[in-house]
Amino acid sequence: EPEVTQTPSHQVTQMGQEVILRCVPISNHLYFYWYRQILGQKVEFLVSFYNNEISEKSEIFDDQFSVERPDGSNFTLKIRSTKLEDSAMYFCASSAGLALIYTQYFGPGTRLTVL
Amino acid sequence: EDQVTQSPEALRLQEGESSSLNCSYTVSGLRGLFWYRQDPGKGPEFLFTLYSAGEEKEKERLKATLTKKESFLHITAPKPEDSATYLCAVQGTNAGGTSYGKLTFGQGTILTVHP
Repeated sequence: EPEVTQTPSHQVTQMGQEVILRCVPISNHLYFYWYRQILGQKVEFLVSFYNNEISEKSEIFDDQFSVERPDGSNFTLKIRSTKLEDSAMYFCASSAGLALIYTQYFGPGTRLTVL
Repeated sequence: EDQVTQSPEALRLQEGESSSLNCSYTVSGLRGLFWYRQDPGKGPEFLFTLYSAGEEKEKERLKATLTKKESFLHITAPKPEDSATYLCAVQGTNAGGTSYGKLTFGQGTILTVHP
């Protein structure tokens, strides 16, 4: 069964450093998303991406964040200068489309720890 | 702003003891309500999508129902392997009447089933 994969599973970084989280969405999917979950809190939407453009972003997704689809298979989330409050699980998701309601399938997550 | 509230926060059941989880929502232009299962340290795993009031979906011991204001996840004769956090999420439309896939999650119900 096709699945979303994410690397690394755990990333530890120093405050102020740049990190790139990587995702490989399901191969025939067209819409890609990033969500985060701070320990003990709700899963929160960050950004949706379609046709090499951001479709929607939340207030959390400020200038420190960026997304990219550098090739036909990877989807990345970059945090330019990490803060302590960026420590969270980051989930990538993908869906086949939007015209009908297409289910979003989530990856296993990357645990980001900012020291 | 879309809002999702789940109750109870935690539920402890004996194996075989049926019960229900509640998801109350407010959303502008509901496009879909989703139930996911999340195991500790893992990504959300898709269970059901419900599109309109009156709809019901079933999968093994789980049955999801939807009204105009809430959804229920009924668990019949649960087993210890059903222990997990169950997440409810809604997808609505933005001020322009469109949707780019953003899911708004509740805080989840932590289900523990004892043998």
